[in-house]
Amino acid sequence: DSGVTQTPKHLITATGQRVTLRCSPRSGDLSVYWYQQSLDQGLQFLIQYYNGEERAKGNILERFSAQQFPDLHSELNLSSLELGDSALYFCASSPQGLLARVEQFFGPGTRLTVL
Amino acid sequence: EDQVTQSPEALRLQEGESSSLNCSYTVSGLRGLFWYRQDPGKGPEFLFTLYSAGEEKEKERLKATLTKKESFLHITAPKPEDSATYLCAVQPPGAGGSYIPTFGRGTSLIVHP
Repeated sequence: DSGVTQTPKHLITATGQRVTLRCSPRSGDLSVYWYQQSLDQGLQFLIQYYNGEERAKGNILERFSAQQFPDLHSELNLSSLELGDSALYFCASSPQGLLARVEQFFGPGTRLTVL
Repeated sequence: EDQVTQSPEALRLQEGESSSLNCSYTVSGLRGLFWYRQDPGKGPEFLFTLYSAGEEKEKERLKATLTKKESFLHITAPKPEDSATYLCAVQPPGAGGSYIPTFGRGTSLIVHP
């Protein structure tokens, strides 16, 4: 158990809908990362927040957005969902996010299925 | 473009048969290379961080090494419970002083009893 929690574990929805994924980082970790993992794309970095502020951006679609709240939990919002958004979404946390030499601790993931 | 390439894509071993997984990278200014283990349907689990060429780290049957262009994950006398996908990652610099986690596609290891 990494100490990172994600809810829900599974989510089934329809095309065009909007969903929110939630992540609570390990106690004391200030940085949260979001990833998408599909069979054809591997593990793709979406976005990082550090202490409430956006720190780094990866291949995140404009339909997706995220935020980190004062209690450091984070939410990833996915809107106008398409079939291709079906994937595993992981959240990870690290003690700080200002250096590259810091490992990440991953949550169990949310499996999103878009029908 | 910064890239991480892992080989082989898949590896089948007999229990006790040692082997190595490869991770080659093209990054301008390596600031750490990471190895993770991922079981099916679960989040990656951190294994090692290597910072500079020549560095080695060990954990049970696993040993990770780093050169200027690649890293190896050596598995000695593997057991079936070592079966998993092994991912390597780097974090090259991005815009505004940020770092962009970049993962390889992974090596899927199956160890047969």
